[in-house]
Amino acid sequence: DVKVTQSSRYLVKRTGEKVFLECVQDMDHENMFWYRQDPGLGLRLIYFSYDVKMKEKGDIPEGYSVSREKKERFSLILESASTNQTSMYLCASRSQPISYNEQFFGPGTRLTVL
Amino acid sequence: AQKVTQAQTEISVVEKEDVTLDCVYETRDTTYYLFWYKQPPSGELVFLIRRNSFDEQNEISGRYSWNFQKSTSSFNFTITASQVVDSAVYFCALSEARSGGGADGLTFGKGTHLIIQP
Repeated sequence: DVKVTQSSRYLVKRTGEKVFLECVQDMDHENMFWYRQDPGLGLRLIYFSYDVKMKEKGDIPEGYSVSREKKERFSLILESASTNQTSMYLCASRSQPISYNEQFFGPGTRLTVL
Repeated sequence: AQKVTQAQTEISVVEKEDVTLDCVYETRDTTYYLFWYKQPPSGELVFLIRRNSFDEQNEISGRYSWNFQKSTSSFNFTITASQVVDSAVYFCALSEARSGGGADGLTFGKGTHLIIQP
């Protein structure tokens, strides 16, 4: 089974802190994604990476950055957390190269910024 | 720009009733892919089905069926004889093909919260 894991299920941080959300997949997938999920808004794409050291902005990249130093790991970074970044964050992976392949999701990290 | 609309925010039915979840999409591409995902209370999205734009055949998998109609840009999902375990949030999503390969994310609808009452 494809396994996508995220470092924390729940996280509480303070405004201005630097926050790292980690995602690891064990199926040698090339593509990885970060989404945020908010009530009434569904899932929105923050960043994605189609290979190691590659990254592209999604629909809502402001306030976020990412890092992909190894194929299996994709990190989302909040440089200076703000309260409007309180959300559920979902990581996903997919095998290259075609859009036809489904994405496999991790369990999510519920981040609260106080 | 691509867009997915799930007009039904919440649906509540009694167990064993049939229920249809609507999904309407917008895209300028001729090649695209449609997906349905289920998100149970545990939070992890579970892939249910995909359909590419060239395949308009309906699909049935057990109690689940999907009706894809390009003429109305719809990809509706029906659960027959619903069960309490079907209670979840269901998302419809769209992915456009990118020439030359490369990754692209999914555009999700806002989801339909399905409640199956015993």
